[in-house]
Formats: sequence, C-alpha cells, structure tokens
Amino acid sequence: GAVVSQHPSWVICKSGTSVKIECRSLDFQATTMFWYRQFPKQSLMLMATSNEGSKATYEQGVEKDKFLINHASLTLSTLTVTSAHPEDSSFYICSARDGGSGGNEQFFGPGTRLTVL
Amino acid sequence: DAKTTQPTSMDCAEGRAANLPCNHSTISGNEYVYWYRQIHSQGPQYIIHGLKNNETNEMASLIITEDRKSSTLILPHATLRDTAVYYCIVRVAGSGAGSYQLTFGKGTKLSVIP
Repeated sequence: GAVVSQHPSWVICKSGTSVKIECRSLDFQATTMFWYRQFPKQSLMLMATSNEGSKATYEQGVEKDKFLINHASLTLSTLTVTSAHPEDSSFYICSARDGGSGGNEQFFGPGTRLTVL
Repeated sequence: DAKTTQPTSMDCAEGRAANLPCNHSTISGNEYVYWYRQIHSQGPQYIIHGLKNNETNEMASLIITEDRKSSTLILPHATLRDTAVYYCIVRVAGSGAGSYQLTFGKGTKLSVIP
C-alpha cells in the first residue's frame, strides 16, 4: 500500500520558537494532503487541506498565520508551527491522497509529537 | 457528511471475531462508509470502505445493511495487535477537494483480550 512518512517523529522546543514538520508520500504522487491535530484522549481534528501548487484551505478556528502550510511538490508538504506555545503541544498527523490512482483513500503518516516547553 | 454513532468501547477475546457496529442513519445515496483504525500513538490506518455491497479484504469484512443506515466491521480472528480505536466515517463521493475530507468522531476503542 501507499506509504506516507513524517519527519521528525517527535520534537521538543522552547516557547516562541518555530517548528517545521515534513510530510512525504514515498511511492505515489499526492495531489491533496491534509493536516490533522490530535490532543490527548481526543479524536483527530482536521486543520487544513492543501493541493499541490496552491494555497491551503484552513478549517474554521485554525490560524493560517500560525500554522504555515507549504505543498510545493507532489510528494512533499510541510507544516510550520510559528512562535509555538505550550498549548500547541499536540500530535500532528498528515495524510495524502493518491491522485494518480483516482482513488478516494487517504493514507496517513505516523504522526509527529510536538512538545512545547 | 452524515454523522456516525459508534459504541465507546468493546472487548473481544483473542482469536474470536470482533464485530464493530456503526449507525449512520442520515447517510445519503452518494456517501461511502469508510473504516480506519488508530493504534496508540500512530497515524490512522485505512481498513476498508463500501457503498452498498458487502466488502472483504485481507484485513476485514464490511457488512452494510440494505437500507444503508448501519454497518458492521468484522475482524474475523482478532489478535492482540488489533487493539486500537476504530473509526467509522461517512464521506461523500466526488471529485472536489472537499469530498476527500474525513471527519473523525470518537470511534470505538477495541480491546482484544488474551
């Protein structure tokens, strides 16, 4: 099956710093990528949807200037958490849709655990 | 997208079949039923999806009632590694970017017991 990777798998940073998380589709071209956030004991919440070469569409309540998403190629999307604060500590998960196959399945990355001190 | 209702938790003995129910009484004719699972601290894993007919793959079987208002995911021989949160998601079929979005509910926490 299709494989999606994320890097790093975990990161600890100081409050006020920025953190970049990478999401890669390893064996397919991802025309659409999604970013989710999951707080402890809660379900996944969609943050934004990005299509290659265009601006991301953010869900209501998600600050686009704080969570910068770049989807510059068909195999890479990045999420940058700018000026991170402790309340941004969460599990960030990306997913990708294989546009080439014409299918509707999303394939998820393993997630990145962000801890802001 | 239609909302789904799942039991909060279920237990299943190792080696037995796990039957996970899902209600989606407001499902529309063009909406698929998808199942994903999430093992602790990992990203969700696609299991199976269907529209009207029952579906089977190497992981599970999906039984959809004739009126499509409910479905059951069946893991035929549950193992300890099947312990996870299972999400039933209804999503519209289509080609627009928004049609690919998945809305996760709380899911069912399945515990497979030795």
